[in-house]
Amino acid sequence: EAGVAQSPRYKIIEKRQSVAFWCNPISGHATLYWYQQILGQGPKLLIQFQNNGVVDDSQLPKDRFSAERLKGVDSTLKIQPAKLEDSAVYLCASSLVSGSPTGELFFGEGSRLTVL
Amino acid sequence: DQQVKQNSPSLSVQEGRISILNCDYTNSMFDYFLWYKKYPAEGPTFLISISSIKDKNEDGRFTVFLNKSAKHLSLHIVPSQPGDSAVYFCAANPGNQFYFGTGTSLTVIP
Repeated sequence: EAGVAQSPRYKIIEKRQSVAFWCNPISGHATLYWYQQILGQGPKLLIQFQNNGVVDDSQLPKDRFSAERLKGVDSTLKIQPAKLEDSAVYLCASSLVSGSPTGELFFGEGSRLTVL
Repeated sequence: DQQVKQNSPSLSVQEGRISILNCDYTNSMFDYFLWYKKYPAEGPTFLISISSIKDKNEDGRFTVFLNKSAKHLSLHIVPSQPGDSAVYFCAANPGNQFYFGTGTSLTVIP
């Protein structure tokens, strides 16, 4: 079974530039999450999709971050314009069902963003 | 507001000994807990979980203990192996989203 795919793995940009990350979840997984992990911290939820609808985006800085999930499958996360404090690893994760009994998330390898 | 806390950023253990990683949570409504393991340049991978109806769950060398009254859980690794060196995240899932701790970096010394 293919895992969660993310690209690019690494991205270096200057502040005020824009960047986009792509995620393809495990086939059949209804729920997709974007997490931001800053060095030395735990993953912080940015946005959660159930199929192609947004379940929770309360911690997404909407003035600069946007995300969409096309046709309930893959997803893109965009940052425009980027700030220095956006330097982090952006993790995409999926699960079969939101709040499923196993409660297990499957993570991609992450996209490491460096903002100079 | 950090709802799941891992107060030890790092831990070093000799190979063959027990590793104990601790996690505290603040919300008594949390009823499902997970441990994830993360190697450098990789995404976290699921390790073991426990439901609040249990106080212990075991999977091979890994055992998770839950003390609901203290809002505390711990992960025991016995015996520890060098390949266990990684960052371990504790997470709580009350059913709608996951709350992660800040992680504990475990180093197992050969």
